[in-house]
Amino acid sequence: DGGITQSPKYLFRKEGQNVTLSCEQNLNHDAMYWYRQDPGQGLRLIYYSQIVNDFQKGDIAEGYSVSREKKESFPLTVTSAQKNPTAFYLCASSKDRGDYGYTFGSGTRLTVV
Amino acid sequence: AQSVTQLDSQVPVFEEAPVELRCNYSSSVSVYLFWYVQYPNQGLQLLLKYLSGSTLVKGINGFEAEFNKSQTSFHLRKPSVHISDTAEYFCAVSKTSYDKVIFGPGTSLSVIP
Repeated sequence: DGGITQSPKYLFRKEGQNVTLSCEQNLNHDAMYWYRQDPGQGLRLIYYSQIVNDFQKGDIAEGYSVSREKKESFPLTVTSAQKNPTAFYLCASSKDRGDYGYTFGSGTRLTVV
Repeated sequence: AQSVTQLDSQVPVFEEAPVELRCNYSSSVSVYLFWYVQYPNQGLQLLLKYLSGSTLVKGINGFEAEFNKSQTSFHLRKPSVHISDTAEYFCAVSKTSYDKVIFGPGTSLSVIP
């Protein structure tokens, strides 16, 4: 079955370290998105990509970086510049037309220790 | 700029009782509207969407929503809830099929046995 796979499900990071969250989809979707979810704050857009080798900053891009070298993959790196990285991270994808809605992965919970 | 308001952050309801989760949006143009559900520690799943046409939209798991343009609302309803409906519910809006989706802050539905 087609879907989005996020790995790992749980991730622990020491302060000052960079860490990369994986997101892979086999839905043949053109657009991919990264969201951060904190309790009581809903979803906040970090980065999105509508086509391979192109991506745009969302509302809270500072301290994060992404790449889109393949249509299927959209990894997110949380850098040491992100001051409060502990959160639940969700990856999503959609066809080029957003009216089909988004398909979400099951998320990665990142904890800084 | 678009925004989505979900007035109720938490809604407790007894099993088999009806429920309505409220959603209002602000936009001066036509919009696409969505409801998503999130179970604990999982990603979001699309419940239903309104693109055009009939203002009453039926979704999965017995949920339905009604689009009201004059009141800029898209409330979610279910005539009889089950324990398994306990989850977080997000209303979302986009201006066009190519526009980013804006999510509301979410409503936590708790079904009481």
